[in-house]
Amino acid sequence: ETGVTQSPTHLIKTRGQQVTLRCSSQSGHNTVSWYQQALGQGPQFIFQYYREEENGRGNFPPRFSGLQFPNYSSELNVNALELDDSALYLCASSLGSSGNEKLFFGSGTQLSVL
Amino acid sequence: DQQVKQNSPSLSVQEGRISILNCDYTNSMFDYFLWYKKYPAEGPTFLISISSIKDKNEDGRFTVFLNKSAKHLSLHIVPSQPGDSAVYFCAASDYNQGGKLIFGQGTELSVKP
Repeated sequence: ETGVTQSPTHLIKTRGQQVTLRCSSQSGHNTVSWYQQALGQGPQFIFQYYREEENGRGNFPPRFSGLQFPNYSSELNVNALELDDSALYLCASSLGSSGNEKLFFGSGTQLSVL
Repeated sequence: DQQVKQNSPSLSVQEGRISILNCDYTNSMFDYFLWYKKYPAEGPTFLISISSIKDKNEDGRFTVFLNKSAKHLSLHIVPSQPGDSAVYFCAASDYNQGGKLIFGQGTELSVKP
């Protein structure tokens, strides 16, 4: 059974640039969620995709967008990067989209915005 | 607005003793609670969960207690082992909000040999 994999593991960008982060779900999982974890904080919910449709969004501006593909892999896109976007971005997959599903997290992408 | 709070950033415990990690929440709509453990350079891994219809759930050395009236939950680890040293996150969800988990800030547990 393949776990959740994220790429790249580290990334350095400059303010104003755009970035795409990628995530492969665990086998058999149809739901992907993205979280942002700032230093010293807990993960914050960005959005969730269920069967290629957005299924809930946290308090993040529209420049944070995502996609889920037919194979249930996913992308997180961030436009017009700001310094405060520097964080660990975590992808999690689950068997379903309900509130009591166990999430399986990848190791994350560490994004630094200079 | 921090709906899930872990007020202790760190906790140090001797090997073999009990570790108690605490979590408070403010949203009475939360009906499912989870604990995740995170090692450096790894993603969080699920540890144990509890539904709001229960007040206790046990899995081996790990027990989670829920006090709904106080909006408080705790994770007990007995006996603590050095391999338990990690950051522990409490998380909560509202079934009607789908898979959105609200996490606390985390407590770093250090178990000394």
